[in-house]
Amino acid sequence: DVVLTQSPLSLPVTLGQPASISCTSSHSLVQSDGNTYLNWFHQRPGQSPRRLIYEVSNRDSGVPDRFSGSGSDTDFTLTISRAEAEDVGVYYCMQLTYWPHTFGQGTKLEIK
Amino acid sequence: EVQLVESGGGLVQPGGSLRLSCAASGFTFSSHWMNWFRQAPGKGLEWVANINRDGGEKYYVNSVKGRFTISRDNAKNSLYLQMNSLRADDTAVYYCGGSRGLFWGQGTLVTVSS
Repeated sequence: DVVLTQSPLSLPVTLGQPASISCTSSHSLVQSDGNTYLNWFHQRPGQSPRRLIYEVSNRDSGVPDRFSGSGSDTDFTLTISRAEAEDVGVYYCMQLTYWPHTFGQGTKLEIK
Repeated sequence: EVQLVESGGGLVQPGGSLRLSCAASGFTFSSHWMNWFRQAPGKGLEWVANINRDGGEKYYVNSVKGRFTISRDNAKNSLYLQMNSLRADDTAVYYCGGSRGLFWGQGTLVTVSS
């Protein structure tokens, strides 16, 4: 199975400051169709997850433009340009290139 | 508005069975692959299974193969998860999701305990 390793696992950030989360895959996530199926999700306490980014760098509708995704092959990053209070929660990367699909362990973002 | 509403969760004894349902609305259900995910208490997300648009392809995480069966009824805009031989480590909130994680339900809690 593909293992996704996120770092850090805990991320204290100051309001208005940038934050970034790394997701490293044990296998290249480039599928035979040429696409890379790496998504990012945000889950607030007590809520269902919400997809933020699909296929590495495409922001979903309604997601603030302070969120961006980048990377390729096995190394990926979610960046928040200026953290806001509503960004607290846990962030997960997920790969859909291979079966079984797998998630990273999650990164808990808190405001300092 | 897209809605996914799960039902069927509850308390079941080890070795027992449950059938989860997910009612979809607000999008063309038959055009999307659908998934089941789960989240054990205090833990991270886990993908459980998915099914293609016409139900002809199904995939599972290794830990549920042979015990869980995913299915769908496009005429009823519904997704199902038949769970047999349940174990304590299947205890989790189960979410249905569509379109590669774009759509999520609110989840239904399954507790496996004697």
